[in-house]
Amino acid sequence: DGGITQSPKYLFRKEGQNVTLSCEQNLNHDAMYWYRQDPGQGLRLIYYSQIVNDFQKGDIAEGYSVSREKKESFPLTVTSAQKNPTAFYLCASSIPRQGEAFFGQGTRLTVV
Amino acid sequence: KNEVEQSPQNLTAQEGEFITINCSYSVGISALHWLQQHPGGGIVSLFMLSSGKKKHGRLIATINIQEKHSSLHITASHPRDSAVYICAVRSGGGADGLTFGKGTHLIIQP
Repeated sequence: DGGITQSPKYLFRKEGQNVTLSCEQNLNHDAMYWYRQDPGQGLRLIYYSQIVNDFQKGDIAEGYSVSREKKESFPLTVTSAQKNPTAFYLCASSIPRQGEAFFGQGTRLTVV
Repeated sequence: KNEVEQSPQNLTAQEGEFITINCSYSVGISALHWLQQHPGGGIVSLFMLSSGKKKHGRLIATINIQEKHSSLHITASHPRDSAVYICAVRSGGGADGLTFGKGTHLIIQP
């Protein structure tokens, strides 16, 4: 079955540590996205990538970094520079500029 | 930047009732998505619309491009429909992701 896999589902980290969230898709989609969800707010775009080895900042990229070395994979690193990292993170993919968006199951990150 | 507004924010109804959730946006779009998010957090895409109306089972989605408005209807609602329903729009051109509404939290009581 084609889809998007995010891991882990729950992640706990100490303040000041970097942490990397995994996102893998086998849908052969060129475009991949990372969103952040906070209570009472809509999802907000962190980074997106339309093609391998290229990515663009979204609305709230500060304190985050990404890489796109393979079409299937788009990992997100939450760095110690992110002031409020505790949130729910969702990865998505689609055919660029069109098509249905497919979402992963999300990773809930808690920084203590 | 597109502004997406959903109403109501919260809705509690009895099993069997007809449910309507509304979404309005401020700038022309290439597509509108209705998404469902269950308590575990994962999101499922219900519909993608660019015009007219779509139906899947008990769910119906409509869009009025001129009015910049879409509705999601649930007929014969059931407790398993309880979830957060999210409207998201893709503005014309570019691959810079979707703009999301804040969601409508629906509870269907037996």
